Amino acid sequence: QVQLQESGPGVLKPSETLSLTCSVSGGSITTDYWTWIRQPPGKGLEWIGYIYNFGSTDYNPSLKSRVRISVDASNNEFSLRLTSVTAADTAVYYCARVKVGPAYSGTYNNYFDSWGQGTLVTVSS
Amino acid sequence: QSVLTQPPSVSAAPGQRVTISCSGSSSNIGNNFVSWYQQFPGTAPKLLIYGNNKRPSGIPDRFSGSKSGTSATLGITGLQSGDEADYYCATWDGIVSSGVFGGGTKVTVL
Repeated sequence: QVQLQESGPGVLKPSETLSLTCSVSGGSITTDYWTWIRQPPGKGLEWIGYIYNFGSTDYNPSLKSRVRISVDASNNEFSLRLTSVTAADTAVYYCARVKVGPAYSGTYNNYFDSWGQGTLVTVSS
Repeated sequence: QSVLTQPPSVSAAPGQRVTISCSGSSSNIGNNFVSWYQQFPGTAPKLLIYGNNKRPSGIPDRFSGSKSGTSATLGITGLQSGDEADYYCATWDGIVSSGVFGGGTKVTVL
């Protein structure tokens, strides 16, 4: 059973850099795929990006210029870095594992089977 | 504005059946598999359906998923008060190699 736990600062000022860490237990940080998803208060889910094959990444095009996801295998954790935050980045941030199901070449069968409890990050001056 | 379109809310009486639609395009739902998530207030989403129509262990068969063309549907039969939650569809967009979600649907048991 995979367990994930987010950690990081809960409050940031505009223009600062958001840094969150997700500690993983019960899963392989190097062979599994890992993702970050966020949810602004009262709104829906937004996919931020994911890391796979121990270093390859894909990001939401709307955040791509500001986001970076990385893995720290020695500590069995992966991290999110989002630069130049604004109030629009205020959200609950979730880390999750991405499972890849069988699919034909060029087709995606990705889904999120284990989630952290989420951590609220507030951007305010 | 979400890439996938879901109705904001659906409702039905206990024991009845509800369906939640999720509409996309050929670059996302049309060529990729769909998953569904259940979220109660203040908690993390939970995987309900993956691979269009498969249930993880522990998910009752009252929940079902289907896909046709560029749309997907979540069905809940034998509606219970404990099913009151927000439900999200998700898939991948092959053009931008990005995960995408629907805006979410709130299920109310009358």
